[in-house]
Amino acid sequence: QVHLQESGPGLVKPSETLSLTCSVSGGSIRPNYWSWIRQSPGRGLEWIGWVYDSGNTRYNPSLKSRVTISVDTSKNQFSLRLTSLTTADTAIYYCARIRPPMKWDLPGDFDYWGQGILVTVSS
Amino acid sequence: DIVMTQSPLSLAVSLGERATINCKSSQSVFSSSKNKNYLAWYQQRPGQPPKLLIYWASTRQSGVPGRFSGSGSGTDFSLTISRLQAEDVAVYYCQQYYTPPLTFGQGTRLEIK
Repeated sequence: QVHLQESGPGLVKPSETLSLTCSVSGGSIRPNYWSWIRQSPGRGLEWIGWVYDSGNTRYNPSLKSRVTISVDTSKNQFSLRLTSLTTADTAIYYCARIRPPMKWDLPGDFDYWGQGILVTVSS
Repeated sequence: DIVMTQSPLSLAVSLGERATINCKSSQSVFSSSKNKNYLAWYQQRPGQPPKLLIYWASTRQSGVPGRFSGSGSGTDFSLTISRLQAEDVAVYYCQQYYTPPLTFGQGTRLEIK
């Protein structure tokens, strides 16, 4: 059973950078797709991006200029970095695994999720 | 971006009755080369992360009760709960993964009448 756990600060100031880590247990981080998703009352569920295997990434264009997702295979973790925060970035941030696609298939539905971490952007 | 629109946004159904939630995509999420609809359904109970129920529009995820079923193709999809149980009270979301950015519907809140 794969288990995911987010960690990081719960409060960040505007204009600062958010750094979150997702620790994966019960399975290998490779070769899988891993994602960050956030949820807020105003925006609903919003996909932030994914990282695959050793570092191939795909980001939501709405956040692309501010987002970096990376993976640390030695620690079985992957991370989110989001810069230039505003109050609009206040949300619950989830890490999730994309259900492993067949070789012929498209990736993108999420079979394991962390419990989520509430991040508030406020001075 | 593909916009996902769910209806209704709120639904109240009696225990043991059928509940149906609809989802419409702004463009087709069917791949003719793969013969698959790239549409998933999730259940989110209060204070919990979303849980995958259905993928490829109609394939139940392992461990999901048989009363949950998905149907539809192209741009129009439905999630049906055949006999509502108290534990099914939740918000339900559809999601397309035909093309990034991956996008979700706004959610449908299901309650007991």
